[in-house]
Amino acid sequence: NAGVTQTPKFQVLKTGQSMTLQCAQDMNHNSMYWYRQDPGMGLRLIYYSASEGTTDKGEVPNGYNVSRLNKREFSLRLESAAPSQTSVYFCASSESYEGQPQHFGDGTRLSIL
Amino acid sequence: GQQVMQIPQYQHVQEGEDFTTYCNSSTTLSNIQWYKQRPGGHPVFLIQLVKSGEVKKQKRLTFQFGEAKKNSSLHITATQTTDVGTYFCAAGYALNFGKGTSLLVTP
Repeated sequence: NAGVTQTPKFQVLKTGQSMTLQCAQDMNHNSMYWYRQDPGMGLRLIYYSASEGTTDKGEVPNGYNVSRLNKREFSLRLESAAPSQTSVYFCASSESYEGQPQHFGDGTRLSIL
Repeated sequence: GQQVMQIPQYQHVQEGEDFTTYCNSSTTLSNIQWYKQRPGGHPVFLIQLVKSGEVKKQKRLTFQFGEAKKNSSLHITATQTTDVGTYFCAAGYALNFGKGTSLLVTP
């Protein structure tokens, strides 16, 4: 049982480049989330999708876009990467949006030079 | 949103000592969840508390939800090196995470 799968695991980009982080879950969960984690800052919500077909901004959405491709997949796109976006990105899913336990992927470690 | 603050930020204990981390909010929380993240790993769900005054135990871990549902605590009895990691509380619909308490256990 894979759970939540994120690709890639590591990525180095140059400032201004674009890329898409992929996330897929096989637990038939309705809700999916993208977080970034920086030292001493905890987990900060970037975007979430409460259900298929909907997306909403979280705490730190600037510089990012998301797509809920289907029930399984939720991607995060950086259109023009900036050094401030160097971080560890986690995707998570839960059965519903109403305070249910979240299952996290292994993360993508992204460095922007 | 249901914002939460965690203290302390760091804790260094000798193996066998107890450890407690606290999670506080200025507003009443609908529920609170606790997660553990090992170094280099991802957050893993530990438990959810919903009821006022609720106490739940998982082996050496004891979780409490305050009577006013504005605070919560995680207590570890007789820490082991396997307890090393960062413990997060989280609350709200999309889960607002606290900044976490990093626990270091020295053998």
